Amino acid sequence: DGGITQSPKYLFRKEGQNVTLSCEQNLNHDAMYWYRQDPGQGLRLIYYSQIVNDFQKGDIAEGYSVSREKKESFPLTVTSAQKNPTAFYLCASSMDPSTDTQYFGPGTRLTVL
Amino acid sequence: GESVGLHLPTLSVQEGDNSIINCAYSNSASDYFIWYKQESGKGPQFIIDIRSNMDKRQGQRVTVLLNKTVKHLSLQIAATQPGDSAVYFCAENLNRDDKIIFGKGTRLHILP
Repeated sequence: DGGITQSPKYLFRKEGQNVTLSCEQNLNHDAMYWYRQDPGQGLRLIYYSQIVNDFQKGDIAEGYSVSREKKESFPLTVTSAQKNPTAFYLCASSMDPSTDTQYFGPGTRLTVL
Repeated sequence: GESVGLHLPTLSVQEGDNSIINCAYSNSASDYFIWYKQESGKGPQFIIDIRSNMDKRQGQRVTVLLNKTVKHLSLQIAATQPGDSAVYFCAENLNRDDKIIFGKGTRLHILP
């Protein structure tokens, strides 16, 4: 998992509650990413950030929000507006978003009851 | 390979044989390609990458081949071991873009 940590590993929430997933990296990477993965599916990009205090929507940003106040941290909030939040959430980082590979954290499995 | 719905394409290989996992990528302008391995319940791990100015790159027990003419990428794993059992994703990065596009993955199943 190479210096990227996500917490918690498993998270249970009631429907209608907001929940925040943590992602921290000590790799001194500029870019960070959040993906969602559903069973048997590939990765879909939620949000990404190339630099502190800046972030862009990915392909499925609706119902999610992020912040990038520090280079090391990129928390993801799953809001009550997200219609189907139960999924495996993966955070990644890269040194240079246009030329370097992304390295992934261990993931957080969110289950909404 | 491509998947439909919840069913990933699966490749079953005898332990000790070589595995070849294929991927068709979408954009002829992509110039950087990566293979990831994802074990159950874990995040994807980087395996090997290749840039578009190359057609072959070798790592430890793995080789990636790139055929830009037909937009095809393959991952060869030599002497497949039980620990190679996982889902393998290819990914492409469009030149000067800041996003990576992931394929849907292929499940590698090792037969004893």
